[in-house]
Amino acid sequence: GAGVSQSPRYKVAKRGQDVALRCDPISGHVSLFWYQQALGQGPEFLTYFQNEAQLDKSGLPSDRFFAERPEGSVSTLKIQRTQQEDSAVYLCASSLEWRNTEAFFGQGTRLTVV
Amino acid sequence: GQQLNQSPQSMFIQEGEDVSMNCTSSSIFNTWLWYKQEPGEGPVLLIALYKAGELTSNGRLTAQFGITRKDSFLNISASIPSDVGIYFCAGQGETSGSRLTFGEGTQLTVNP
Repeated sequence: GAGVSQSPRYKVAKRGQDVALRCDPISGHVSLFWYQQALGQGPEFLTYFQNEAQLDKSGLPSDRFFAERPEGSVSTLKIQRTQQEDSAVYLCASSLEWRNTEAFFGQGTRLTVV
Repeated sequence: GQQLNQSPQSMFIQEGEDVSMNCTSSSIFNTWLWYKQEPGEGPVLLIALYKAGELTSNGRLTAQFGITRKDSFLNISASIPSDVGIYFCAGQGETSGSRLTFGEGTQLTVNP
């Protein structure tokens, strides 16, 4: 597709359940970012990939959060044993070059943990 | 860590009015970006600024990269109803690699 695609758009999980969120970046984009956006807040950085290499994961809030991009294209953000505080919109963004800050965002996945 | 203070938090204006919002940082940024986000959508890039003092326009939008590299503002002239949304500033710091730090957003409401 022409833009960054994320799935699912909405996910409701019971507390303690594991979830996996998918991001399809724009074809050919080297850099891929994950951000977490709580209600009424700006996005907060989680992690960054350059091709398949995860260069920065300092924003991941706990070891329950794990991201991968094994072939340098599609990425998956996994959250284990979800907690209520994990409820947020998870945004994926991609950019053409590794230092290009003009990232294009997907529509996000809204995760609600009940 | 880096923090961005964005103001105002919200604005209610009449169609045709001009709007101004700004962001200040506790540390120096190399790049300032302004995004607009509508309900259920991801942020969309409006303007990117790369040099201190730079003034850039995109249609009715004008943004400036502050001389101190710690602030930026966005102006919208002659607002129209479709300008409604949340506007975010974002910056890339000297030591933050490619990550962006976002402000908390300015919610803009335009009354026809």
